Amino acid sequence: DGGITQSPKYLFRKEGQNVTLSCEQNLNHDAMYWYRQDPGQGLRLIYYSQIVNDFQKGDIAEGYSVSREKKESFPLTVTSAQKNPTAFYLCASSISREGGETQYFGPGTRLLVL
Amino acid sequence: AQSVTQPDIHITVSEGASLELRCNYSYGATPYLFWYVQSPGQGLQLLLKYFSGDTLVQGIKGFEAEFKRSQSSFNLRKPSVHWSDAAEYFCAVGLTGFQKLVFGTGTRLLVSP
Repeated sequence: DGGITQSPKYLFRKEGQNVTLSCEQNLNHDAMYWYRQDPGQGLRLIYYSQIVNDFQKGDIAEGYSVSREKKESFPLTVTSAQKNPTAFYLCASSISREGGETQYFGPGTRLLVL
Repeated sequence: AQSVTQPDIHITVSEGASLELRCNYSYGATPYLFWYVQSPGQGLQLLLKYFSGDTLVQGIKGFEAEFKRSQSSFNLRKPSVHWSDAAEYFCAVGLTGFQKLVFGTGTRLLVSP
């Protein structure tokens, strides 16, 4: 079955620690995205990538980093510079079809600070 | 700047009753429009989308939405709500060209017996 997988489902971070969230897709989509979700604030874009080896900052990129070495994979690192990392993180990928581009989402990773 | 407004934070509907969730957007051109649904602790599932053409679009799970350009709205409707529809619903606007989505803050739907 094609889809988007995110791991782990829950992740705990200690003060000063970098942690990496995994996102993999086997849908052959070119573009991938990372969003952060906080209660009452909807989703906010962290980073996105349209092609391999290229990515752009979204609205809230400070304290985060990404890489896109393979089409299927778009890992997100939450660095120690992100002072309020507790949130639900959603990965998405998109395909252009029927005159527009549609994003599909993974199941999410919840990050908690110890 | 583009924005999406979902004016209702919570809505409670009786099972079997009709449902309408409101979405208004601010954008200079005709946007791409989406409705997603999220169950607690889960990712977002696409319900339906509007790119062009017929302004009444049908989606999964018996949902439909109507694009009204004059009102800058894209309200989601369902004629008869089931208990399994209880979830959070997000309206999103896609900008032309590269598809950066702007999300509303969501409406939580509660279904009473």
